[in-house]
This record gives sequence, structure tokens and C-alpha cells, in this order.
Amino acid sequence: QLQLQESGPGLVKASETLSLTCSVSGGSISSSDYYWAWVRQPPGKGLEWITCISYGVNTYYNPSLTSRLSVSVDTSKNQFSVKLSSVTAADTGVYYCARRNRGSRNGYEDYWGQGTLVTVSS
Amino acid sequence: QSVLAQPPSVSGAPGQRVTISCTGSRSNIGAGYDVHWYQQLPGTAPKLLIYDSTFRPSGVPDRFSGSKSGTSASLAISGLQAEDEADYYCQSYDSSLRSALFGGGTKLTVL
Repeated sequence: QLQLQESGPGLVKASETLSLTCSVSGGSISSSDYYWAWVRQPPGKGLEWITCISYGVNTYYNPSLTSRLSVSVDTSKNQFSVKLSSVTAADTGVYYCARRNRGSRNGYEDYWGQGTLVTVSS
Repeated sequence: QSVLAQPPSVSGAPGQRVTISCTGSRSNIGAGYDVHWYQQLPGTAPKLLIYDSTFRPSGVPDRFSGSKSGTSASLAISGLQAEDEADYYCQSYDSSLRSALFGGGTKLTVL
């Protein structure tokens, strides 16, 4: 059974960079069949799709976050990571990593991590 | 205002059937992109409920069904149970934004 687990600081200062890593077990991150994604959820609000990356390092970004986002894959550790720079209070929320299935036309997230809360402090 | 519009809340009594709509436009659902649905129980990660507009992953009860027509999609839940009380999100792709996106979410209350 595929499992994903987020890790990283729970508290980040405003204007600094948020960095999170997702460890994947029960499957290889090197599979060309899937992408690896990040989704976030501000407290009490809805889901926001952030980004995804493939083993072949094709990346896709939420256009509202593109200028601040960076995503990478480490196949040796079976992990993928996201960095979000110049954070503000609006970036506070639960960050989920997920496996993105390509779907018949457009993809969907079929396995999710449990999520990690990141708070941006002033 | 979300690009994919969902009603903020719906409710129904146990055993009843409810539907949750997801209204898009010609650059997303109307362009032929599939709609996927997720269930999020309180305090937990989202769970895939319907993919490619109409398909259920293994383990999802057949009480849950999805449909799509024109610029809209719907999630139907029949035989409502107390355990169905959760937030539900639709997801698709928008060719103008060139990004995947979620609807604003719908809170289902089982009366």
C-alpha cells in the first residue's frame, strides 16, 4: 500500500522560505505513470492545488504561486520536496503531499499524506 | 469566487439522496476536462471518491456516483448515512489558467 508522509518545520517566519519534504513508501517515485503533487488548505477554508512534478522533472505550477515556488524530486531517497519563498500569513495552512494519477485526460490525486500544519509567524 | 462553483452546504436525512453540483465554464468542464470528487472527513486528509467524472476507486460504495454534462458536473449520494457528513470538493483542469483547480467545497450535513 502506497504511503506518503510530509515533514518540515511547523513554524516559518514571514518573508522566509517554507520547505517541506514528502517521503514515499510502498512504491517508487521513479514511476513514469504518476506525478507527485502538493495541495494546501488554509485553516477553515478549501483546498488549493499548488504544484506537481514528474520523475522526468516536468513541473506544473499554480499560476498564482509560480514566482515563489520550486519543486524537486530525489529518487535516491524516494522523496519529493517543495519550497515556497517570501511567505506571508496567507500561506499558513495544512500542506498535503499526494500522488497524482494522470487520468484519462486530466489528473487527480489518488493517494494523500496525512498533512502537516505550517504556520507563518510575523 | 471559485472558478468551479459549488454550493456552500447541502443537507439531507438518513436514507435520502442528495446531489452536489460543480459549475464551471468553457475553459474547464465545458472544454471536456474530467471532474474528480473528493471527500474530506473532519480533521483528515481528502479521499478520492470519483475520478474521470464517473468512476469509483476500489472500496468506494456504489452509493456515490458522478456525472458530467456541458459545463457542470454532479456528485450524487444515495442512501445517506451519518458517516457521509463531510466536506466534498470537485476538481478539474482549466485551460485558460493552465492549472488544476478545486471547487470551493460543499459541507454535507446529515440531519
